[in-house]
This record gives sequence, C-alpha cells and structure tokens, in this order.
Amino acid sequence: KAGVTQTPRYLIKTRGQQVTLSCSPISGHRSVSWYQQTPGQGLQFLFEYFSETQRNKGNFPGRFSGRQFSNSRSEMNVSTLELGDSALYLCASSSGTGRPEAFFGQGTRLTVV
Amino acid sequence: AQSVTQLGSHVSVSEGALVLLRCNYSSSVPPYLFWYVQYPNQGLQLLLKYTTGATLVKGINGFEAEFKKSETSFHLTKPSAHMSDAAEYFCAVNAGNNRKLIWGLGTSLAVNP
Repeated sequence: KAGVTQTPRYLIKTRGQQVTLSCSPISGHRSVSWYQQTPGQGLQFLFEYFSETQRNKGNFPGRFSGRQFSNSRSEMNVSTLELGDSALYLCASSSGTGRPEAFFGQGTRLTVV
Repeated sequence: AQSVTQLGSHVSVSEGALVLLRCNYSSSVPPYLFWYVQYPNQGLQLLLKYTTGATLVKGINGFEAEFKKSETSFHLTKPSAHMSDAAEYFCAVNAGNNRKLIWGLGTSLAVNP
C-alpha cells in the first residue's frame, strides 16, 4: 500500500509570490490534514479536509488556503509569501472515521527568500 | 479543551541506557494517545498508540508506553537506547467531538556513545 506522497520535497520562493503544495493520501483515506512545522514552534495545525469539505481549521491568516479533490488528493496554497512562512509543511492522511491514527508524508521544505 | 505537555524539550542518554520521555495530557473525554518519531527533514512516523484496552502498549523499535488515567500520563520508554533512536519525539492526543490531534511541542532525544 503506497504511503502519503507530498510534492515537491523542496521549494524556494521569493517574498510576495504564491505557492501550491500537493498531498496524495493513502488509498481509501478520506481525511487530509496540513501542518506547519518550524523550529521551536512544534506542529501548527493549518486545516483538515474530509470528503472535499474543510472540517477543522487552525489559526492561520487567510493567505493560507486549501482544498480537496474527489479522489481525496489535497492542495494547500499560500499567497503573498512572507519570510516567516519558511517551514516544513507536513500532510497527514487518516481514514477520517473509525481508526484515529494519522500517517504523514515526508513533507515539503519551503524556503522564502 | 485538550492539551499535551511534554516535559523536557531535550533529553540526553547514553547508549544502552533507559529512555524515558514524558507526556501528560488533559482531556474531558477518554482520549486516544499517540507517540510519533521524526528524523531530520522527514515526516512523522507512528511509534505506538493507545485507543482502548490494555494500558501498556508496545510499538516499533522496542518502544512502549503506558496509559495511566489517574496520572493523565502516557510516558514513552525503551529499556536500552541505540544510536539510531536519536530523533524528535512527539506525543499527541485525539479527543473531543471533532477528534482533532493535539500535539506536544516535542522532545529531542540525543544518544551518546
């Protein structure tokens, strides 16, 4: 069974640009959650999508958005990038019902210069 | 509201020594509890989980954790540390109606030769 796939693995962007990250969950999983990880801040929850609907949302500005497609693949978008958006962005896949554990992708390392 | 506290952001042990990483949680409903491990520039890997039943749970790589309701704790242990155990460890609780994962800030484990 294939794991969670995040693309790209590494990304360098300039301040003011926008970026789109992609996540393909484990086959059969309907929930995808996104996290931002920075040194000293731990895992900051961005949002969760379940069956194409945003089910939970963290405390991030509106520049951070996401969506989920009918095949459960998810994208997150960050507009008007700031230096502080440099982080490891992690995607987690879970069934969304029943079994509660989440499975993570390897992450996308975003550097904003 | 649910919360997770990991005591000690950095723990250092000698190779072959006992590993003890502490996690305390708060939850108004019976929680699901998890430990994850993260190696540098990687995603998080599930080490073990407690959902219901036996309070002592065994995970991968020789780790185990015990759910103690009276102490609201879920400490992670390993009898004998190996150099390959050096990583960041995260405790998480999944509780409440929305079953969102709440994360501790992580504990960085160093293993000295």
